[in-house]
Amino acid sequence: DAKTTQPPSMDCAEGRAANLPCNHSTISGNEYVYWYRQIHSQGPQYIIHGLKNNETNEMASLIITEDRKSSTLILPHATLRDTAVYYCIVRGKSSGDKLTFGTGTRLAVRP
Amino acid sequence: KAGVTQTPRYLIKTRGQQVTLSCSPISGHRSVSWYQQTPGQGLQFLFEYFSETQRNKGNFPGRFSGRQFSNSRSEMNVSTLELGDSALYLCASSPTVDRGTETQYFGPGTRLLVL
Repeated sequence: DAKTTQPPSMDCAEGRAANLPCNHSTISGNEYVYWYRQIHSQGPQYIIHGLKNNETNEMASLIITEDRKSSTLILPHATLRDTAVYYCIVRGKSSGDKLTFGTGTRLAVRP
Repeated sequence: KAGVTQTPRYLIKTRGQQVTLSCSPISGHRSVSWYQQTPGQGLQFLFEYFSETQRNKGNFPGRFSGRQFSNSRSEMNVSTLELGDSALYLCASSPTVDRGTETQYFGPGTRLLVL
């Protein structure tokens, strides 16, 4: 599995956009980028995933660079409830259904 | 659709005992994976089951085992509990029609405390 690198912590003001970066320089052509988040002591929550193109859903946007070596998760209007640990995971057919979690980014949203 | 459910939500056991945790996947999902989360090691993959067969296994001792039933429900068992087994145990399910590319959805977890 390709490894990912994320900053250990970030913060942003409530109502502003939160941009969470992830480096995955060894990603291979058929591997997807997944984002999950975990609010304290709860199960991880799926946010979004993508292969090459940018993706958007009701929770967030995912921007993947053209060379696919990095990506950014964007929460357009962060709220206090978005305070969580965010995990960027690279996954493909070779990993099956196994998700390899790193240490993630702890996002603190300030009032 | 109901989400992934796990029972019990909280459990206290003593060293040397054994424990069985249960997971019911989202309706129609056939793959169930288990993870252990501890403050020191983070989220680690335990094993994955599909059609009652273990397809993948993480690096855990044989005291950790699991099984899956024909209705896709899964159980995991930990025998001879150690203090270090205190953790949040998470279950995730996916449809697994196209393995490795489908989203996994997690349950709320079972918090196990070993005294």
